[in-house]
Amino acid sequence: ETGVTQTPRHLVMGMTNKKSLKCEQHLGHNAMYWYKQSAKKPLELMFVYSLEERVENNSVPSRFSPECPNSSHLFLHLHTLQPEDSALYLCASSPTIGLAGIQYFGPGTRLTVL
Amino acid sequence: GENVEQHPSTLSVQEGDSAVIKCTYSDSASNYFPWYKQELGKRPQLIIDIRSNVGEKKDQRIAVTLNKTAKHFSLHITETQPEDSAVYFCAASLANEKLTFGTGTRLTIIP
Repeated sequence: ETGVTQTPRHLVMGMTNKKSLKCEQHLGHNAMYWYKQSAKKPLELMFVYSLEERVENNSVPSRFSPECPNSSHLFLHLHTLQPEDSALYLCASSPTIGLAGIQYFGPGTRLTVL
Repeated sequence: GENVEQHPSTLSVQEGDSAVIKCTYSDSASNYFPWYKQELGKRPQLIIDIRSNVGEKKDQRIAVTLNKTAKHFSLHITETQPEDSAVYFCAASLANEKLTFGTGTRLTIIP
């Protein structure tokens, strides 16, 4: 795949596990985003990074911890999740934070918390 | 902050007919309105967008209209085809700010 890739595509974890989601973009973009997509809800923006600096954190519980080591990679570290955290987690990127509308999405990670 | 409402949540149309999805937004300062299509099991993809300085934009069978006074915008798909079946999301944003998405419309094209 080119563009924005995410791994793993599917993840099942227990509430006491620790896991990480990975996102990589091959588009030379400077801004990256994490979204949560639950059934019958709008896409929920979780985190925004611009040039590796976090610029927005939408009141996300601390059990979700993002990391952006460089402008091409974005991680979401997960620990002690709850069943209601089960959802599709989408990563996206855009050329700059100012072009936030033109977002390119990854395929998502389908997370199930048991 | 911005609030985007989208209707209907589900829509079924006969192949060849037109489909219309409507969104309203709350912040009159919003000036960018993209539409994303998400096919089953796939990622959302931008299909068309409109900025507040125009009232209508068309790209082949899809068009978007914007009414700034009423704060609503709509997606129009003409001559629908089976491959148009998907979930469609509208969104709104201010310049240089994040997108706020609608709740999505599941469009089903009946052959």
